[in-house]
Amino acid sequence: GAGVSQSPRYKVAKRGQDVALRCDPISGHVSLFWYQQALGQGPEFLTYFQNEAQLDKSGLPSDRFFAERPEGSVSTLKIQRTQQEDSAVYLCASSLVGGEFNYGYTFGSGTRLTVV
Amino acid sequence: AQSVTQPDIHITVSEGASLELRCNYSYGATPYLFWYVQSPGQGLQLLLKYFSGDTLVQGIKGFEAEFKRSQSSFNLRKPSVHWSDAAEYFCAVMNTGFQKLVFGTGTRLLVSP
Repeated sequence: GAGVSQSPRYKVAKRGQDVALRCDPISGHVSLFWYQQALGQGPEFLTYFQNEAQLDKSGLPSDRFFAERPEGSVSTLKIQRTQQEDSAVYLCASSLVGGEFNYGYTFGSGTRLTVV
Repeated sequence: AQSVTQPDIHITVSEGASLELRCNYSYGATPYLFWYVQSPGQGLQLLLKYFSGDTLVQGIKGFEAEFKRSQSSFNLRKPSVHWSDAAEYFCAVMNTGFQKLVFGTGTRLLVSP
């Protein structure tokens, strides 16, 4: 497709359950980003990939969060032992090269995670 | 550290009236600045961006923003609001080389008939 695709759109997890969120970036986009958006807040940076290399993971809130992009295209954000504070919308974005400045991020519609 | 402040949580504007959404940033060097719009259940759509040059930036959907270094501001404006403009608006700053965006908390725009 022409846009960034995220699946599932909605996920309800029981506290302590592991979840995996998928992001299909625009074909050929080198950079991929994950953001977390809590209710009523702006998105917050989680991690950044350039191709398969994870160049910045400074925003991951704990070691329960793990992201990968093994072949430089599809990315998965995994959250282990989910907690209620993990409830948020997880947004994925991709860009052709590096960063918004030159080519522009395209954001997906997000995955809304609710931990009960 | 970079930060963005959007002082207005909600703004209500009558359809056809003008709009100004405020954004203040904190950053030591020349920032790269952005405005995004988010409709319910949707991702973020880029309205406009500033990185250098003319301080008045034109964007999509009739929006514009003005960079004022002396006030550390990047306010978003539209001369005549349409009902379809009702959404959440986010201002963001990026430090080139770091790739990531730092967002404000957003301003929810309500448009009254």
